[in-house]
Amino acid sequence: EIVLTQSPATLSMSPGERVVLSCRASQSISYYLSWFQQRPGQAPRLLIYDASKRAPGIPARFSGSGSGTDFTLTISSLEPEDIAVYYCQLRNNWRLTFGGGTTVQIQ
Amino acid sequence: EVQLVESGGGLIEPGGSLRLSCAASGFTLSNAWMNWVRQAPGKGLEWVGRIRSKSDGGTTDYATPVKGRFTLSRDDSKNTLHLHLNSLETEDTAVYYCLYGLGSSWGQGTLVTVSS
Repeated sequence: EIVLTQSPATLSMSPGERVVLSCRASQSISYYLSWFQQRPGQAPRLLIYDASKRAPGIPARFSGSGSGTDFTLTISSLEPEDIAVYYCQLRNNWRLTFGGGTTVQIQ
Repeated sequence: EVQLVESGGGLIEPGGSLRLSCAASGFTLSNAWMNWVRQAPGKGLEWVGRIRSKSDGGTTDYATPVKGRFTLSRDDSKNTLHLHLNSLETEDTAVYYCLYGLGSSWGQGTLVTVSS
């Protein structure tokens, strides 16, 4: 079973700063990785799919990269509304797997 | 626009059963792969199960913790997905979300609390 490990667990940044979140897979998953944002009290929403493709309506400050086992989600300039937990997700033919999440806080 | 509305959650005693529903609009449910994901209070996301589209056989897969206890079904006439929860355990307490495809759209979730 493939495990997704996200780091760091928590991040405290100032508005305007560049934020980089990491997701590492226990074995190669090609590019089958998505990123989700979950704001407090809300359902998650899709940000990035297939490692680097932005979902419709997602601001350009969000970008994804990586392949194989190492992936990153970058927020180029942190906005107050970006306070949330971010999850990476692997999809394969029969199940979904989520990472443990990274909480992004404003300093 | 894809919309998903879950219902059916509530407080149930251990060993009990519940049926969750996910009413879909904006697309034809039988043409879609649908997933359920749950989130225990203060915890992360956990995949529960999936049903494939009719054209892909309509087959289902389940996560190990729920296999044999939870069942997915679809009512095509009502464009509604059901998740049948049996032999509920306290560890099943969570908000349950239905997902369109791999998660391009999520419902608002329905809370299931298993407690005596």
